[in-house]
Amino acid sequence: LAKTTQPISMDSYEGQEVNITCSHNNIATNDYITWYQQFPSQGPRFIIQGYKTKVTNEVASLFIPADRKSSTLSLPRVSLSDTAVYYCLVVGTGGFKTIFGAGTRLFVKA
Amino acid sequence: DTGVSQNPRHKITKRGQNVTFRCDPISEHNRLYWYRQTLGQGPEFLTYFQNEAQLEKSRLLSDRFSAERPKGSFSTLEIQRTEQGDSAMYLCASSLEGGRYEQYFGPGTRLTVT
Repeated sequence: LAKTTQPISMDSYEGQEVNITCSHNNIATNDYITWYQQFPSQGPRFIIQGYKTKVTNEVASLFIPADRKSSTLSLPRVSLSDTAVYYCLVVGTGGFKTIFGAGTRLFVKA
Repeated sequence: DTGVSQNPRHKITKRGQNVTFRCDPISEHNRLYWYRQTLGQGPEFLTYFQNEAQLEKSRLLSDRFSAERPKGSFSTLEIQRTEQGDSAMYLCASSLEGGRYEQYFGPGTRLTVT
């Protein structure tokens, strides 16, 4: 399973765009990159998943360069309610053993 | 469907007692996962079921821990002879088959061992 590395914490202000980068140097050909969000006292919630290039949904965008050794989660115009921990995971297509790291604690200030 | 549910939400027990947690997954999901999460850490994988078969167990899951998923529906996680180090949030998640499918997490059961 590919190990991921992401910043421990980030601060931002309301209305700004936030980019959280994750490195996964040992990603395998069949692996997908997945991001989850977790609020205190709740279980993680799926945000977005991608294999290569760019994926966008109503919540975020995910940018994956051609070598796939890193990825960037982009949150447009964050609000106070985006304060949470964000986890980057690498998951195989048959994968079941999901490895969460410590995540990135994003703190959005007014 | 209202999502993944877990009961109880909180459990306080004395060291040495046995505890059992229940997880009800989303009905059409055939995969079910258990995780443990301590303060400031990400969820740690404990075990996983595909239908009623337990296919993987983490080394974190000592002999005091046992999980079942009878008939491939709800699942239970039992901890025998609890220790203070077992205090954590126990999370359950379910998904469709295949690693590409997102996992839906329940709200967790917070265990405190005194």
